[in-house]
Parts: sequence; structure tokens; C-alpha cells
Amino acid sequence: QKEVEQNSGPLSVPEGAIASLNCTYSDRGSQSFFWYRQYSGKSPELIMFIYSNGDKEDGRFTAQLNKASQYVSLLIRDSQPSDSATYLCAVSGASYDKVIFGPGTSLSVIP
Amino acid sequence: DTGVSQNPRHKITKRGQNVTFRCDPISEHNRLYWYRQTLGQGPEFLTYFQNEAQLEKSRLLSDRFSAERPKGSFSTLEIQRTEQGDSAMYLCASSLGGQYQPQHFGDGTRLSIL
Repeated sequence: QKEVEQNSGPLSVPEGAIASLNCTYSDRGSQSFFWYRQYSGKSPELIMFIYSNGDKEDGRFTAQLNKASQYVSLLIRDSQPSDSATYLCAVSGASYDKVIFGPGTSLSVIP
Repeated sequence: DTGVSQNPRHKITKRGQNVTFRCDPISEHNRLYWYRQTLGQGPEFLTYFQNEAQLEKSRLLSDRFSAERPKGSFSTLEIQRTEQGDSAMYLCASSLGGQYQPQHFGDGTRLSIL
């Protein structure tokens, strides 16, 4: 079992819709969860991080964490074509101090 | 610019040659990470430093790869006797210490092996 899993996509949503990106992780002791956005040919850019169960909102982005289910998600409201990118889920935790990345989900927002 | 800086941006070399990349982290960050990323994959952890100490090295990493961070400032990643499979983007990231601190990435060095 891979440590961090994501649907590879591509996920296509129409402009203005909500995009929902999902991530599961294997280490139950994981403590910190990060979402990065990566445009083609560019390096990852931090969008949000979350540590506690529940929701965390920042503008059009909402991160949701459920530690019991070992699940973290990212919602993008009012999706824009500029949101088209690969979204990387990253996890760090008690059993390791480094950050492990998932394979990423490709999102395409259709005008 | 106070972000993470990586040099060179691109490196093209022949198989069997040695290459060295440099990373300058954000000045107040004591942690520095190296990742490798290939097309369609997420960044793959290679190694990381806390100040000058190399705390972990991926067991997937062959002994052709070595990294240093003298004096806890910039870091270098060297690949000896390069192989075709080493072609990838090499990313450096830095952060403040602790598992709750997000990482900030440089623009990466793209390595192409001929």
C-alpha cells in the first residue's frame, strides 16, 4: 500500500463549479497535511495546510480532514480556468519527520 | 528575492558523467529537503537536513547520489556516473523545523541525460 494515494484524474469541472480532490494516507499517526498546486513545468506551490479534524477555509479553498478515516480533501469553489493544474497532497507524521507526497490529481477547469 | 534558489535550472549531460546541483534555502529555514520528480508523478523524497546534519536518506537512493549541507546553509546534490533513469526534475525545499511547518520549493533543476 502506498503511503499517500490520490486519484490521478484528470478531473474535469466546468468553470464556476466546485472541484473536489481527495487523498488517503496509510500512517495513522500522521499529523500534518498539506495541499500543493503545481502548474506544468513549475515547482509545487503551497495552497493550504491542516492539522486538526474538520474543515479549514481560505478564500475559495476548503481543506477537510478526517483522521479516523485517514482521509483529507480539498474543495475549490467557483473553479476558474486558472485553477487548472496538478494538486499534490502531502503528509507528515509521528513515524516520520519528512513529508511524503501523493502522485497528484490533474484538474482541468473548462470555460 | 528571499525564496529558495536552485542552480542550474537545466543541466544536459552525457551518460556516465557526474553532475552537481546547488540549493540555497530561505535564510531562516533550518530544514532542507531534496526531491526527485518525473512526469506524472509526485515529488519523491531523496534526503533531508536539519541544519548541517543529514537526518534521513531514502533507501531507494543508490550510493551514486550524495548530498551535503556544509555549515547548515546551502546544500549540494551530486549524482555520480549518471544513468538514463536519472533524468528528472530535482526539487529542493526548505522549512522551519518541525512536522507542522510547510515546505517552500525552489524552481528545480531539470536534468537530461543524453
